[in-house]
Amino acid sequence: GENVEQHPSTLSVQEGDSAVIKCTYSDSASNYFPWYKQELGKGPQLIIDIRSNVGEKKDQRIAVTLNKTAKHFSLHITETQPEDSAVYFCAASNNAGNMLTFGGGTRLMVKP
Amino acid sequence: DAGVIQSPRHEVTEMGQEVTLRCKPISGHNSLFWYRQTMMRGLELLIYFNNNVPIDDSGMPEDRFSAKMPNASFSTLKIQPSEPRDSAVYFCASSLAQNQPQHFGDGTRLSIL
Repeated sequence: GENVEQHPSTLSVQEGDSAVIKCTYSDSASNYFPWYKQELGKGPQLIIDIRSNVGEKKDQRIAVTLNKTAKHFSLHITETQPEDSAVYFCAASNNAGNMLTFGGGTRLMVKP
Repeated sequence: DAGVIQSPRHEVTEMGQEVTLRCKPISGHNSLFWYRQTMMRGLELLIYFNNNVPIDDSGMPEDRFSAKMPNASFSTLKIQPSEPRDSAVYFCASSLAQNQPQHFGDGTRLSIL
């Protein structure tokens, strides 16, 4: 089965700096990679996703890159703000059934 | 638009009791997922349905857990009998179709004493 590893487990940045979270996956058949943001007491919220037919996707201050050869993908947040503080999860799935395998999560803290 | 709605938000009960968690997916969504989140194991998929039919329940921990989806707008996850190790946050998610983004509810925090 799929295995997704996520690093770092915690990340502290100063407001305005960039934050990068990295994930690796094991199943070369995986072709869909979403990122979720989870705030305290809430469910994970989809913030961006990428499919394996593209290498990069951007949405305002958030971007995701995918390297299929190396089987890793990354989340980039620029100009971080205190409200970006949360736990971020990466995930991977293939076309076999929409079953997401999640990474272990990264707690991002943005210091004002 | 209403998102995925879960109830109750919190449940505290004694071991041995039956627990029923409820989920209303987003209207029009055909796939529904139940997840469990713990500090030790992270987010784990328990079971998912497509068009009200269970597709994969390999993540269900044991026979004490069961899930149903009697219609397109309602699903339940039942634990009987409950045990302290079942304490976790249980999330329901839905998607428009297979291979479409999943949208999560705010979860049920379950504590078994």
